[in-house]
Amino acid sequence: GENVEQHPSTLSVQEGDSAVIKCTYSDSASNYFPWYKQELGKGPQLIIDIRSNVGEKKDQRIAVTLNKTAKHFSLHITETQPEDSAVYFCAASRGNDYKLSFGAGTTVTVRA
Amino acid sequence: DAGVIQSPRHEVTEMGQEVTLRCKPISGHNSLFWYRQTMMRGLELLIYFNNNVPIDDSGMPEDRFSAKMPNASFSTLKIQPSEPRDSAVYFCASSIGGADTEAFFGQGTRLTVV
Repeated sequence: GENVEQHPSTLSVQEGDSAVIKCTYSDSASNYFPWYKQELGKGPQLIIDIRSNVGEKKDQRIAVTLNKTAKHFSLHITETQPEDSAVYFCAASRGNDYKLSFGAGTTVTVRA
Repeated sequence: DAGVIQSPRHEVTEMGQEVTLRCKPISGHNSLFWYRQTMMRGLELLIYFNNNVPIDDSGMPEDRFSAKMPNASFSTLKIQPSEPRDSAVYFCASSIGGADTEAFFGQGTRLTVV
């Protein structure tokens, strides 16, 4: 099955700086790569996703890049704000009838 | 829509007791997922339903766990008998499509088995 590895496990950044989280996956047939944000006491929430026919996607301060050859994808958060503090999960799936495999999560702390 | 609704939010039970967790997915969503979250194992998919039919239950840890989806608006996850190692946060999520569409998670049920 799919194995998703995520690094780092914790990340502390100064407000205004950028944060980068990296993930690798094992199944070359995976074609859907979402990122979820989980705040304390809540369920994960999708913040951005990318499919295998796209190399990069951006939504305001958040961007995701995908390198299918190397089987890795990354989340970039620019101009970080205190409300960006949360646990972030990457995930990968082969498609509709296959399960979504999650990385172990990255705890991001934005220092004011 | 109120989102995915799970009940109870917290459950404390004694080892050996039966536990039933409940989920109401978002109306119109065809897929429903049960996840378990622990510090040691992260987010694990337990079971996935599509149109009320179980598609993948390979993540159900053992026979003590069972899940049902009698209709499009309700699902249960049952643990019988419960054990301390079942203590975790259990999430239900629903989506319009399968695993390659946005999953909307409920608030979770924090289960403690003593």
